[in-house]
Amino acid sequence: ETGVTQSPTHLIKTRGQQVTLRCSSQSGHNTVSWYQQALGQGPQFIFQYYREEENGRGNFPPRFSGLQFPNYSSELNVNALELDDSALYLCASSLVQVETDTQYFGPGTRLTVL
Amino acid sequence: QQQVKQSPQSLIVQKGGISIINCAYENTAFDYFPWYQQFPGKGPALLIAIRPDVSEKKEGRFTISFNKSAKQFSLHIMDSQPGDSATYFCAASTNTGNQFYFGTGTSLTVIP
Repeated sequence: ETGVTQSPTHLIKTRGQQVTLRCSSQSGHNTVSWYQQALGQGPQFIFQYYREEENGRGNFPPRFSGLQFPNYSSELNVNALELDDSALYLCASSLVQVETDTQYFGPGTRLTVL
Repeated sequence: QQQVKQSPQSLIVQKGGISIINCAYENTAFDYFPWYQQFPGKGPALLIAIRPDVSEKKEGRFTISFNKSAKQFSLHIMDSQPGDSATYFCAASTNTGNQFYFGTGTSLTVIP
């Protein structure tokens, strides 16, 4: 177990709705990254938060947004849900120091958009 | 464009055999190469990682071989066991560390 937790485990929404996913980082980690993993694919980077600021963003539209809180927990918000947003959403925490450190993943939230 | 290309897509190995999964990349700025193991319904779990200053790293039954000039790296699983049956992802990152690029995954099945 990595110590990274995510909630909820599963979620079903309809097209056009909004959703908020939550992530609690591993103790001592100051950075959270969010990934989208479609069925049968590798995780795709959405964005990263470091010290409550966005620190890099992948090729995702602005309706994907996030927050990081002072305790380093994080939220991923998706507005105007589309069918293609159905995926496993993963958060990963890491400790950014001098050089790249590994990212530890949570179990994910399975989002289904109908 | 896929930044990290992974092969094969699926692999079937007999118990006790060697499983080999290959990855290739183009971005010479990549300097961190982890391998992740993922079971159904779970998040990816770090197996082993390497930096380009070494050509090989071994941890238990898992070995990464790294060829900087060819821009290729591979995972070798020695004495493969049925419990190793999972999906394996290679990944790469630059020294800014803010984005991991993942391969498309290899589904490994180890037959008893």
